Amino acid sequence: SQTIHQWPATLVQPVGSPLSLECTVEGTSNPNLYWYRQAAGRGLQLLFYSVGIGQISSEVPQNLSASRPQDRQFILSSKKLLLSDSGFYLCAWSGGGLSGTEAFFGQGTRLTVV
Amino acid sequence: GENVEQHPSTLSVQEGDSAVIKCTYSDSASNYFPWYKQELGKRPQLIIDIRSNVGEKKDQRIAVTLNKTAKHFSLHITETQPEDSAVYFCAAPPGGYQKVTFGTGTKLQVIP
Repeated sequence: SQTIHQWPATLVQPVGSPLSLECTVEGTSNPNLYWYRQAAGRGLQLLFYSVGIGQISSEVPQNLSASRPQDRQFILSSKKLLLSDSGFYLCAWSGGGLSGTEAFFGQGTRLTVV
Repeated sequence: GENVEQHPSTLSVQEGDSAVIKCTYSDSASNYFPWYKQELGKRPQLIIDIRSNVGEKKDQRIAVTLNKTAKHFSLHITETQPEDSAVYFCAAPPGGYQKVTFGTGTKLQVIP
């Protein structure tokens, strides 16, 4: 069966520090991968999505970046965090292809920038 | 790109009553319409979905209806219970299903 791992679960970082969140998927190949951010009490904002290794689409211009060095690995990074980067970050995967399928989410990372 | 609008943003119902949440979408090529439930502090999880070749799907107390002509679909929860309290999100992935954007969410509160 497929599983998705996301870590860490919680993170407190000072303003200006770097960030690296990692997400890995097991049990499937060539998944579509996504990073979302959710502010407290708000919706799911799509940050990045990827349909293959090295293929990253950015939805929101900001100081975050994403990389997909391996088929089932998706990394969210920042060189210098801002206070406004605080939030709940969710990684997700879905099957590729033209027919929509369920999206599976990681447990999420609660990031607090202080 | 796909635009998904979700209403209402908050909904309070008495236990046992029904709740209805509606989403409208813009991409006529969309063919898959899921609904997710997110409990406080947890990850969203799929509760029901429907494909464009059917108009309605039911799973116990939950149902989804789709009107492709009008480009809207709705989540119906009957006989609501306190454990139904959560935030519900719809999605309408565009044809090609690469970029998945969600509706803005509906916070449902079921009052005992």
